[in-house]
Amino acid sequence: KNEVEQSPQNLTAQEGEFITINCSYSVGISALHWLQQHPGGGIVSLFMLSSGKKKHGRLIATINIQEKHSSLHITASHPRDSAVYICAVNPQRGSNYKLTFGKGTLLTVNP
Amino acid sequence: NAGVTQTPKFQVLKTGQSMTLQCAQDMNHNSMYWYRQDPGMGLRLIYYSASEGTTDKGEVPNGYNVSRLNKREFSLRLESAAPSQTSVYFCASRDTMNTEAFFGQGTRLTVV
Repeated sequence: KNEVEQSPQNLTAQEGEFITINCSYSVGISALHWLQQHPGGGIVSLFMLSSGKKKHGRLIATINIQEKHSSLHITASHPRDSAVYICAVNPQRGSNYKLTFGKGTLLTVNP
Repeated sequence: NAGVTQTPKFQVLKTGQSMTLQCAQDMNHNSMYWYRQDPGMGLRLIYYSASEGTTDKGEVPNGYNVSRLNKREFSLRLESAAPSQTSVYFCASRDTMNTEAFFGQGTRLTVV
């Protein structure tokens, strides 16, 4: 079982829809990251959070440490939001210099 | 700001050839990482360097070597490339263990 599970694996939406991508993890963590990767492109950090909620433009990330769960929301989705969204965690135990990654959620937003 | 710069962006190798992937960061970060990304597998850690002068194996180190040349640069070497090393390689850096990670643009490597 992967330490970091994302759902759904694939998501197709119409422009303007509200999007939610989920991330569950099984270990204690010190921080959780949300990353974005456009097709054929590099990886960009969207958020790093250890509690509560963060907002940047149309993107909102929340985390519930007790439930070991995080969500990434996109409001008023746009075709340029089409990308793979990756959740990664910083485990508290072991070498916490290393991130553990989910397999990603492929989001396609149609015009 | 350049951030994390990887070279080359694309490379085709023949089985048995060697090559070095270069990575440099200009953010004065302590930790640097090499990952490979394969379809359906997510990002997997090859090697990392928690600080200048140290390197450690990640999940998939076999067939690779690394050098932390100085605080800025962290290179990944394939001594004898194999088709199983066909992948997209990403270098990343961050300052400390609980800070944001910055990634390079990736190197698409094909071994034929």
